[in-house]
Amino acid sequence: KAGVTQTPRYLIKTRGQQVTLSCSPISGHRSVSWYQQTPGQGLQFLFEYFSETQRNKGNFPGRFSGRQFSNSRSEMNVSTLELGDSALYLCASSLADRYYGYTFGSGTRLTVV
Amino acid sequence: KNEVEQSPQNLTAQEGEFITINCSYSVGISALHWLQQHPGGGIVSLFMLSSGKKKHGRLIATINIQEKHSSLHITASHPRDSAVYICAVGGADGLTFGKGTHLIIQP
Repeated sequence: KAGVTQTPRYLIKTRGQQVTLSCSPISGHRSVSWYQQTPGQGLQFLFEYFSETQRNKGNFPGRFSGRQFSNSRSEMNVSTLELGDSALYLCASSLADRYYGYTFGSGTRLTVV
Repeated sequence: KNEVEQSPQNLTAQEGEFITINCSYSVGISALHWLQQHPGGGIVSLFMLSSGKKKHGRLIATINIQEKHSSLHITASHPRDSAVYICAVGGADGLTFGKGTHLIIQP
């Protein structure tokens, strides 16, 4: 059974650019959530999607957005990149909601220069 | 907003020792998760708990809902257990994470 797949694994972008990260959940999982991990702030919740609808959103600026497609694959987008956006971005999939366990992907390491 | 406190932040122990990592949270939750993160970033979900105790191999996780406290125990620790262990609590607004415990098991 394939795990959660995140692409790309590594990314280098220039300040001011935008970036799109992709997450393919485990087959049959309908919930995808996104997290940002930095050395200073640790892991922080970005947003959660279920059946193409955003169900929850963390405390991040509007430059961070996401969407989920009908096949449950999800993308997150960061516009107007700042140096502080350099982080490991993780997604996790779940069967339905927080009452089920989460399976995490390996993450996308974004470096903004 | 839930506050999640983990202790200790860093722990170095000898192979074979019994390890305990603690997690406290401030607000009622739907479930508590123990996660393991190795260098390189990948996170593995070890346990999801809403009550009682769970065991998987040498790992044991317990939770006390009334005291808002959970512990992760590792018996007969091994150098391959070296990793960052993260406690996360689930609520209506997604997962809230502790800062993690950096565990090093020396041979």
